[in-house]
Amino acid sequence: GDSVTQMEGPVTLSEEAFLTINCTYTATGYPSLFWYVQYPGEGLQLLLKATKADDKGSNKGFEATYRKETTSFHLEKGSVQVSDSAVYFCALSDLSSGYALNFGKGTSLLVTP
Amino acid sequence: SAVISQKPSRDICQRGTSLTIQCQVDSQVTMMFWYRQQPGQSLTLIATANQGSEATYESGFVIDKFPISRPNLTFSTLTVSNMSPEDSSIYLCSALTGGSNEQFFGPGTRLTVL
Repeated sequence: GDSVTQMEGPVTLSEEAFLTINCTYTATGYPSLFWYVQYPGEGLQLLLKATKADDKGSNKGFEATYRKETTSFHLEKGSVQVSDSAVYFCALSDLSSGYALNFGKGTSLLVTP
Repeated sequence: SAVISQKPSRDICQRGTSLTIQCQVDSQVTMMFWYRQQPGQSLTLIATANQGSEATYESGFVIDKFPISRPNLTFSTLTVSNMSPEDSSIYLCSALTGGSNEQFFGPGTRLTVL
């Protein structure tokens, strides 16, 4: 079945550092890919998405490109802020799952001043 | 987009009792889902709530333990039955709107079972 693999955390970075969180997937069909963010004590929010190969999702300075050839959807940000400290989840959905989300394990990010 | 509310936001329950969680969406949606997030873990799909028919459960989840209702296009309930401490989790409702592949999540219900 479909699955999502994320890099293990926690990740600790200094403010203004470059961020990459790796995400790879396996899917039988043509999934849509998502990054969700969960800030401390808050609910789950959609950060960005991509629905087909070579699409780039972007939001709040974060970017991720749907790479079919490497089955990857890595999250990047050029300069992180303390307020980016959160848990980031990579996820996919497709018709075979009835469009339910299949989540990776999550990566905790801590940004220090 | 869709705004989703859940009640209760949190509860502390005794072993052996049941709790029903309500999920309300502010607009009609095509699909609704229930997820569980155990402490420090990722989200796991419990079931797809089907309007007017029985929910579709994922492996490891059964109707007797997690009965789900969805009487209309904007409302669903999840009951956690005969609770044990292992059921302590955050339970989240989500919805998928027609014509979009974005899922919107409720704020979650934090359940603690003593």
